[in-house]
Amino acid sequence: GQNIDQPTEMTATEGAIVQINCTYQTSGFNGLFWYQQHAGEAPTFLSYNVLDGLEEKGRFSSFLSRSKGYSYLLLKELQMKDSASYLCAVRDHSGAGSYQLTFGKGTKLSVIP
Amino acid sequence: DVKVTQSSRYLVKRTGEKVFLECVQDMDHENMFWYRQDPGLGLRLIYFSYDVKMKEKGDIPEGYSVSREKKERFSLILESASTNQTSMYLCASSFSLGQPQHFGDGTRLSIL
Repeated sequence: GQNIDQPTEMTATEGAIVQINCTYQTSGFNGLFWYQQHAGEAPTFLSYNVLDGLEEKGRFSSFLSRSKGYSYLLLKELQMKDSASYLCAVRDHSGAGSYQLTFGKGTKLSVIP
Repeated sequence: DVKVTQSSRYLVKRTGEKVFLECVQDMDHENMFWYRQDPGLGLRLIYFSYDVKMKEKGDIPEGYSVSREKKERFSLILESASTNQTSMYLCASSFSLGQPQHFGDGTRLSIL
C-alpha cells in the first residue's frame, strides 16, 4: 500500500509564488505525477517526475527527492485562474499495481487579489 | 488532443438498479481506468484495464464490475446500486506506463 500526504488547503496572493508539498511512502516507487483540477472539472496533467531533481514547465515546476519520499509543485506568478485543487499521484511498481496510480487527497489552492 | 468521453454528466438511479457508466477514448490507448472521487477521500481506483478483455481490481472494487470488449470502450457496472455509491465517477486512459492519464469530465451519480 501507499501513504500520500499533502496539505488540505492553501491560500496565496496573486503574483506570488506558492509551493505545494507532497510526501509519500511506497515499496516500489515508479514515478510521481501532479494534476490540476478546477471545481467541477476533470483533472488535467501538469508534470511527471521519475528521477530526482527539478522539472520546469513555464510557470510550474515540480521537484522530486526519492530518498526523502518528497515532492513539491511550485507555482510562480500566481494568477486567479490557478485557484484549483492540486493532486499528487504516485505510481507503484509492485505486482498488479504496476499500472495504477494512487492519488493524494488534493490541496485546494485559493488565489486572492 | 486526447478525448475521453463519458456518456453522462449527471445520472440519478434508484437503489437496487443495475447501472452502466460508459467511457470512450479516441487515441488508441492501451490502459483505461475507473475512479470515484469523494470529498475528503480524493480519487480512488475502482478497476483498470491494460488490454481488451483484461481487467484488474483497484483499491475499492466491491460492488462494481467492468467490461472491456473493445479497446476504445471501458464500462463500469454497478450490479445493484446502493446509496453509498453516490459519487463522482471519473474515467481515464493512458497510452503506456510512462504516459500521464487523461481524464473524462466525470459522471455525477446519485443513488436514491
